[in-house]
Amino acid sequence: EVQLVQSGAEVKKPGESLKISCKGSGYSFTSYWIGWVRQMPGKGLEWMGIIYPGDSDTRYSPSFQGQVTISADKSISTAYLQWSSLKASDTAMYYCARSGDILTGYFMGWFDPWGQGTLVTVSS
Amino acid sequence: DIQMTQSPSSLSASVGDRVTITCQASQDISNYLNWYQQKPGKAPKLLIYDASNLETGVPSRFSGSGSGTDFTFTISSLQPEDIATYYCQQYDNLPPKVTFGPGTKVDIK
Repeated sequence: EVQLVQSGAEVKKPGESLKISCKGSGYSFTSYWIGWVRQMPGKGLEWMGIIYPGDSDTRYSPSFQGQVTISADKSISTAYLQWSSLKASDTAMYYCARSGDILTGYFMGWFDPWGQGTLVTVSS
Repeated sequence: DIQMTQSPSSLSASVGDRVTITCQASQDISNYLNWYQQKPGKAPKLLIYDASNLETGVPSRFSGSGSGTDFTFTISSLQPEDIATYYCQQYDNLPPKVTFGPGTKVDIK
């Protein structure tokens, strides 16, 4: 079964750093893209960026460029989303999701499956 | 940047009703348009990809159509378990780029 399992909920203070994870299983982790999506409380879905673990090719939404860092460790089939200095406005649910074509490595445009989400709360 | 709009933002319908949601892109996106269902407290789930292709395992009462700038998502006979927010999502694949629509919340009347 293809599965993405995300790390647990986090409560942090403004200014702190954070790295959350997304572990893939049941498929070739290096052959598909992993995307990250933010959902602020009561709001819609926002695409943050995407990484191809096979060669670490990473693309960011302009809205999130410079605000977060996306990375992956293919040796443990895990993708990461990290912040160097959190703000209260980073409080949100964060989802990872898979996309791609195993034969070409191309981003196929749709995300399936999704991780269960990681709730990040930033509060003083 | 491509902007996505959805209408209505919310709707209330009876069990068995036909429900239609529209999604409009600010420029031609061909058929690069996907639909997701998000139930409260859950991760989104892919229903339709490339405008009209039903994802494996998704009930046939869900369908999608359209190309260019105007797209439609239909539930042919609304069921209680369809209570959710539905999002359209456009994409470019070279380089990868994604935009979600604002969502449509569907309730039972």
